[in-house]
Formats: sequence, structure tokens, C-alpha cells
Amino acid sequence: QPVLTQSSSASASLGSSVKLTCTLSSGHSSYIIAWHQQQPGKAPRYLMKLEGSGSYNKGSGVPDRFSGSSSGADRYLTISNLQSEDEADYYCETWDSNTRVFGGGTKLTVL
Amino acid sequence: EVQLVESGGGLVQPGRSLRLSCAASGFTFDDYAMHWVRQAPGKGLEWVSGISWNSGSIGYADSVKGRFTISRDNAKNSLYLQMNSLRAEDTALYYCAKGRSGYSSEVVYWGQGTLVTVSS
Repeated sequence: QPVLTQSSSASASLGSSVKLTCTLSSGHSSYIIAWHQQQPGKAPRYLMKLEGSGSYNKGSGVPDRFSGSSSGADRYLTISNLQSEDEADYYCETWDSNTRVFGGGTKLTVL
Repeated sequence: EVQLVESGGGLVQPGRSLRLSCAASGFTFDDYAMHWVRQAPGKGLEWVSGISWNSGSIGYADSVKGRFTISRDNAKNSLYLQMNSLRAEDTALYYCAKGRSGYSSEVVYWGQGTLVTVSS
């Protein structure tokens, strides 16, 4: 089954950009993933679906500052013009016909 | 507006059972796959179980297989999770989640969660 690997933490300054990475395990590099944001004390929120080609589709109401890209087994979430409300945990998700997995999450701190 | 409202959580002793419910509204419930995802205190998200629109496809995480049963009642727009033989490690916030479409599609909407605490 697929495994998703994320860095445990990241930080960037207010107004700057940050690129978070989610890496698919060997043999699963073509998988589609989704990104979710979880602000402190809140339920997760769907951000986007991201394909291996780099094509992405965002959820309703997701700001233009959020974008996705891909390279090989890596799936990226880029947040531009960081705002204080972007400080959150970010999770990637993938699935196949048998199972569904989430990455361990990246805690983003906005400095 | 999509709404997913979980209920049924609470404090339960190890080895006992609990049944979670999720009331869905704002969309055509029987068109979509549904899932349960949990989050232990201070930890990340863990998929628990999923079910297709017609219950034809059902899956479980290895950690709950044989103990938990997912089901749905499309006439009542409701999703359920029957949890038996509960363990301390099942303590978590349990989220009901809606898939984009079929069973093999991403989660696109989350409920607010219901807390399950397994302790003597």
C-alpha cells in the first residue's frame, strides 16, 4: 500500500512563500493526492487534488495563494504571500481500491 | 451547504462498544462515498473506514479490521460506525468525511468530529 512522507515542520515569514512536500513511496509515484489544511482547534479543510502531471483542482473558496505542483514522486503545496491564518497543519492524502492513507502532516509556523 | 454532524461519542470502558452516527445534509447523500477518519490527541489523521454510495465497496484500516463496522442508510442520509472491543488506542476525535464522488476519490468535506475516549 502507498505511504506518504511529510516533513514534520516548516516555517516562513509573513508575506513570503513556502513550499511543502509530500513524497509517495516507491511504486506509487503516479498516484493522485489531496492536500488538507487543519488550523488549530478546527476540523480539517480540503484544499486541492493534485495529479502526478502537476495539474491541480482547488476546493471552493481556497485562495489563489495556494497552488500545487509535482515532480516524480513528490507532490508540493506552495503558499504565496503567507498570512497569519495559514499557520496550520497540512496533510496529504492518497488512496487506492484497497486503502486510504494520510501523511504524518507538516506543522507550518508563520513567523 | 454541505453539513456533516457526528454524534455518539463519549467515555467508554475498554472492551465495550460504541456506535457513531453522522447526519448528512446539503447534498445528495446516496451519490457519494463516505469515510471515517480519526485523530488521536496531538497526533495526525488516520483513515479508519470507507464505504461507497451503494455499500458495494467497503474498506477498513488494519488497526480496526474485525472490530469496527461501517454502514450507511441512504434513506436517512446517515453514516454509521459500530465500534466493538474498544481499546485505549482507539481514543480519538472521529471525523465523518465526504468523498468527491466514488470510493476511489479524495475527501472533500469534513464534519466537526465526535470525541471517543476509551478508559477505565
